[in-house]
Amino acid sequence: QQPVQSPQAVILREGEDAVINCSSSKALYSVHWYRQKHGEAPVFLMILLKGGEQKGHDKISASFNEKKQQSSLYLTASQLSYSGTYFCGTEVGFQKLVFGTGTRLLVSP
Amino acid sequence: NAGVTQTPKFQVLKTGQSMTLQCAQDMNHNSMYWYRQDPGMGLRLIYYSASEGTTDKGEVPNGYNVSRLNKREFSLRLESATPSQTSVYFCASSESLEQDEQYFGPGTRLTVT
Repeated sequence: QQPVQSPQAVILREGEDAVINCSSSKALYSVHWYRQKHGEAPVFLMILLKGGEQKGHDKISASFNEKKQQSSLYLTASQLSYSGTYFCGTEVGFQKLVFGTGTRLLVSP
Repeated sequence: NAGVTQTPKFQVLKTGQSMTLQCAQDMNHNSMYWYRQDPGMGLRLIYYSASEGTTDKGEVPNGYNVSRLNKREFSLRLESATPSQTSVYFCASSESLEQDEQYFGPGTRLTVT
């Protein structure tokens, strides 16, 4: 039931764009995105709900394709502060949030 | 507002020892969670509490017990620690159980030798 994230890791130069994908084998109720910097706690970025409602970050966007059971996180004009590990979490039906194994993003100057 | 606090920050135990990890939140949230994070495994849910007075098992509950002491506090107990419980433990809280952002504490790094 754990969602699959891709890529596992990505390296960018400052100002470049990146897309992180999250897919599930089951129909999704919602998708959550969190970012964790090294040695710190995960921090909420956004939630995408079935039906199209989106709650969260104003500088990072995401999409949720319910039919394909997939979500993508779009990081545009990346900044050094975007570095960290990004986790998607999926809610299947009314089950609790299950997190993917993460995508490590490094933004270099 | 301290958010979610956890104690201790670090702990080393010998196999067979017991300990309790403490978690408290000051956001008046109804739901609280305990996760463990191992390299390459992401965050895995150990136990959760939908509201004061209720607790339920998550994905990996074996070897752990929890207590929702009141609305603010949710503790995790290891009765007889094993090296496989070496991990970073995060407590989190949210307003409601579903479709709601979770706020995480700073974590407890536990090593069992």
